[in-house]
This record gives sequence, structure tokens and C-alpha cells, in this order.
Amino acid sequence: GENVEQHPSTLSVQEGDSAVIKCTYSDSASNYFPWYKQELGKRPQLIIDIRSNVGEKKDQRIAVTLNKTAKHFSLHITETQPEDSAVYFCAAALTGGGNKLTFGTGTQLKVEL
Amino acid sequence: SQTIHQWPATLVQPVGSPLSLECTVEGTSNPNLYWYRQAAGRGLQLLFYSVGIGQISSEVPQNLSASRPQDRQFILSSKKLLLSDSGFYLCAWSVPDQAGGPHEQYFGPGTRLTVT
Repeated sequence: GENVEQHPSTLSVQEGDSAVIKCTYSDSASNYFPWYKQELGKRPQLIIDIRSNVGEKKDQRIAVTLNKTAKHFSLHITETQPEDSAVYFCAAALTGGGNKLTFGTGTQLKVEL
Repeated sequence: SQTIHQWPATLVQPVGSPLSLECTVEGTSNPNLYWYRQAAGRGLQLLFYSVGIGQISSEVPQNLSASRPQDRQFILSSKKLLLSDSGFYLCAWSVPDQAGGPHEQYFGPGTRLTVT
């Protein structure tokens, strides 16, 4: 089955700096890659996603890039703010798989003042 | 718009007691439904998913079970809880996997279960 690896497990940046979280997947048939943000004690919230027919997608300060050949995708957060501090999870899914997501192990992002 | 509910929000149960957690979705029909467990400080583990009434797929062997008695209702149960069942239980929904490919999953508010 699919396996998703996520790095780093923790990331600390200064406010205003950029943050990058990287994920690799094993199943070349995977074609959907969402990112979730989970604040302490809360539910995961979908923040951005990308499908395999595009290489990059942006939404204000966040962007996701996908390299199908290398089977990796990344989350980029620019101009980080304290409210960006949370755990971020990447995931992968493929058509016909019951819409099941395989999640990475999460990245704890801390934005320091 | 669609809304997903879970209850109870928190639960403290003794080892060996039964469990029943409920999840309901509003504003959509024939959704895919999912149960996840998240241990403290850990990732998301898919426990069960359902593509229709009475259709349940189990992802990991355990003392938990799931049922879908109605289109938009998903129940997680146990006959006898173990200490290791403690965690944050999340229900999620998505539109069915169709020709357009996988779709977004949206999570409920979760139930925090502590087994003592």
C-alpha cells in the first residue's frame, strides 16, 4: 500500500521567515495530495490540496508544489505569523481507493516572535 | 452547506466498559465516512471507512467495530475498552470517489476518550 514520509518532524522559524515541509510518497498511482493544519486540541483543517495534473498551486501565503517524477510534494508558507504555529500533515490518495487518505507523520511548526 | 457532528466531545471510561461514539453529517447524501484515531502527540490512524449503508471496511485489527445504520450516521463501538483505546477520535466525510478522482475529506470536532 501507499506510504507517505514527512520531514522535518519539528520546524522552528522566526516570524516573517518562510517554512517548507516536504513529503514523499511511494505509490506512483496516487493523484491527490492534501495538506491539513491541526491546532492544539482541534480537528485537522484542510488548507490546500493539489492534484497530479498540476505542478504548483498557491493560496495567499501558502503554496504546494508537486514533483511526480520524484514522487514528492512540499508545502511552502511565506511571511510566517504566530498563528501559523500548528501541526501540519500531508496526505496522499488515488482514484478508486475509496477516497482513503494515507497521512504523513506530521510536522510541528513553531513560529517565534 | 455541509456540517459534521460528533458526540460526546469528551468521555472518561473505565477499562472493560463499552463504548459508543456517534457521528452524523448534514447537507449531503451518500457520503463516504471515516473513523480515525489520534494518540496524544501522534499522527492520524484510519480505523474504518464506509462507502454506503451497512458497508464497513476495517483498516486495522482491534477491539473496535463500526456501523452505518443510516446514510449519514456512523457509529464507533467497543464491547470492552482497553487502556490503549485512549485517544482523540475523529470522524470525517467526503463525497464518493468518482471519475474525477479523490475528493477532500472534512473532519468533525472529535471525541477525546480517556480510558482509566
